[in-house]
Amino acid sequence: NAGVTQTPKFQVLKTGQSMTLQCAQDMNHEYMSWYRQDPGMGLRLIHYSVGAGITDQGEVPNGYNVSRSTTEDFPLRLLSAAPSQTSVYFCASRKTGNGELFFGEGSRLTVL
Amino acid sequence: SQQGEEDPQALSIQEGENATMNCSYKTSINNLQWYRQNSGRGLVHLILIRSNEREKHSGRLRVTLDTSKKSSSLLITASRAADTASYFCAMNTGNQFYFGTGTSLTVIP
Repeated sequence: NAGVTQTPKFQVLKTGQSMTLQCAQDMNHEYMSWYRQDPGMGLRLIHYSVGAGITDQGEVPNGYNVSRSTTEDFPLRLLSAAPSQTSVYFCASRKTGNGELFFGEGSRLTVL
Repeated sequence: SQQGEEDPQALSIQEGENATMNCSYKTSINNLQWYRQNSGRGLVHLILIRSNEREKHSGRLRVTLDTSKKSSSLLITASRAADTASYFCAMNTGNQFYFGTGTSLTVIP
């Protein structure tokens, strides 16, 4: 099993550009989520999904869109990137219930 | 913000010593989890304690939870250089997780 796979690992954007961060998991997990990690702030939840076709907002959803058309994939879209979105982004998944999260290796995004 | 607070922010100890880090939170929880993050990597789950549990052990890890004080602690005994990493508590409220600000642990060989 590959676990949780995120692409790309690094990305540089200009203000106003759009892009999609990809996340895929092969563990048949119903729950998937996106976090951003900023220095001194820990991780903050952006969006999450409890199954295909179902998404909901987390703590910091503004500026980000998500969709969940399959169990395996949960892409995160930035429609118009801003410097405040410079961060490291992590995708995580888990089985249904209250268990542990499995994390990808992260995507480092810089917006100039 | 529902983020947790961890202290200390940074901790440096000698190999073989014990390391204790503390987490305080604001919201009601289903469980509290601890994660480890090596530099530049994703987070890895260490241990989970449910809201009706007070203490849990896993190998060299000991976690306590006091829901009346909304606090938890993680003890790593007999530390090793390989334990050098950042440690985060995470409060699970069901479908949402709120992470602490992290403790950076350095274990000196």
